Amino acid sequence: QKEVEQNSGPLSVPEGAIASLNCTYSDRGSQSFFWYRQYSGKSPELIMFIYSNGDKEDGRFTAQLNKASQYVSLLIRDSQPSDSATYLCAVPVFGNEKLTFGTGTRLTIIP
Amino acid sequence: DVKVTQSSRYLVKRTGEKVFLECVQDMDHENMFWYRQDPGLGLRLIYFSYDVKMKEKGDIPEGYSVSREKKERFSLILESASTNQTSMYLCATADWGQGQYFGPGTRLTVT
Repeated sequence: QKEVEQNSGPLSVPEGAIASLNCTYSDRGSQSFFWYRQYSGKSPELIMFIYSNGDKEDGRFTAQLNKASQYVSLLIRDSQPSDSATYLCAVPVFGNEKLTFGTGTRLTIIP
Repeated sequence: DVKVTQSSRYLVKRTGEKVFLECVQDMDHENMFWYRQDPGLGLRLIYFSYDVKMKEKGDIPEGYSVSREKKERFSLILESASTNQTSMYLCATADWGQGQYFGPGTRLTVT
């Protein structure tokens, strides 16, 4: 089993709807989780991180963590065409600052 | 804001040339990373450094070396470039527990 798994998509969501992106991880000891957004041809940009169970909200973005089920989600409310990008989930490697990245989910917001 | 700069956005080199890719950060972060990103393969860690003159191999170090003589600067060296090293190269920097911040990337083509 891969350490971090994401559905590669593409995921198409109408403008104004909620986009839901999911990530599962294999290491039960993982304590923190990061979401990156990557536009085509650009580098990844850190948009959210979450450490504890439950939800964390930042503007239109909500990260949800369920440690018992070993998944982390990213919800984007009121989706905009500018949200069209690939979203990468990342989990730290224990003991250092390395991250294990998922392969990303490509999201397309349809106007 | 974290600023990570890379020496070139686009680079074209010939097979067998020695190639230097440089990364500079202005946030006094201890940790720096070099990745390559290829379609369908995601982000792959080449090397990382957790302190000046300290380095560790990542998942795909073959054909690469690194140098970190100063805290703010981390260089990736391709000793003898080959066509299979054509890729997007991404540098990242990290503070403890805060996730990684990426530079703009260098798209290297080896002909």
